[in-house]
Amino acid sequence: GQNIDQPTEMTATEGAIVQINCTYQTSGFNGLFWYQQHAGEAPTFLSYNVLDGLEEKGRFSSFLSRSKGYSYLLLKELQMKDSASYLCAVLDSNYQLIWGAGTKLIIKP
Amino acid sequence: GAVVSQHPSWVICKSGTSVKIECRSLDFQATTMFWYRQFPKQSLMLMATSNEGSKATYEQGVEKDKFLINHASLTLSTLTVTSAHPEDSSFYICSARGGRERDEQFFGPGTRLTVL
Repeated sequence: GQNIDQPTEMTATEGAIVQINCTYQTSGFNGLFWYQQHAGEAPTFLSYNVLDGLEEKGRFSSFLSRSKGYSYLLLKELQMKDSASYLCAVLDSNYQLIWGAGTKLIIKP
Repeated sequence: GAVVSQHPSWVICKSGTSVKIECRSLDFQATTMFWYRQFPKQSLMLMATSNEGSKATYEQGVEKDKFLINHASLTLSTLTVTSAHPEDSSFYICSARGGRERDEQFFGPGTRLTVL
């Protein structure tokens, strides 16, 4: 079966750095997405990785290792507005998005 | 970037009525549209996938006679919740794939449905 695992909840301090991990087992791989979702809102796109390595975009970076079926989202200089759920999703061989359950990130002052 | 709109943003209806939700890709042609449902504190659940001009493919456990999907054009898909009941109350989100970023899904803002 297809499976995406990520922690249910994480807590971090404003100004700090947090890494949210995602491991996956899917039938085929055509890329991995990270989305941010604030409560009551639709997800918004953060990053897309299809090759191994680190993609940096401002305060957010995303890393992928296809051989390990592993990705992480790194958030630097955390701000209160970063409190949200972070969803990991993998595009499988049929170009269907397989979603993780999301990681709720709580930022404390 | 690609923009997807949804209408209405929220709706409250009585049990037994039908509700139609529209999803539009505003600046690109969406070859595929997806409908998701999300219950509080849970992840997105894919309900169905629709390609323009063809019947939607429903996920296991989703009643196609209850959730009618029409993808009549490359910019519009509709989801009709027929004979809605309180357990259908949820956050319904559409997404569209197409345009230059072939693999990315662009999400609409979602529709909050409350069935009394």
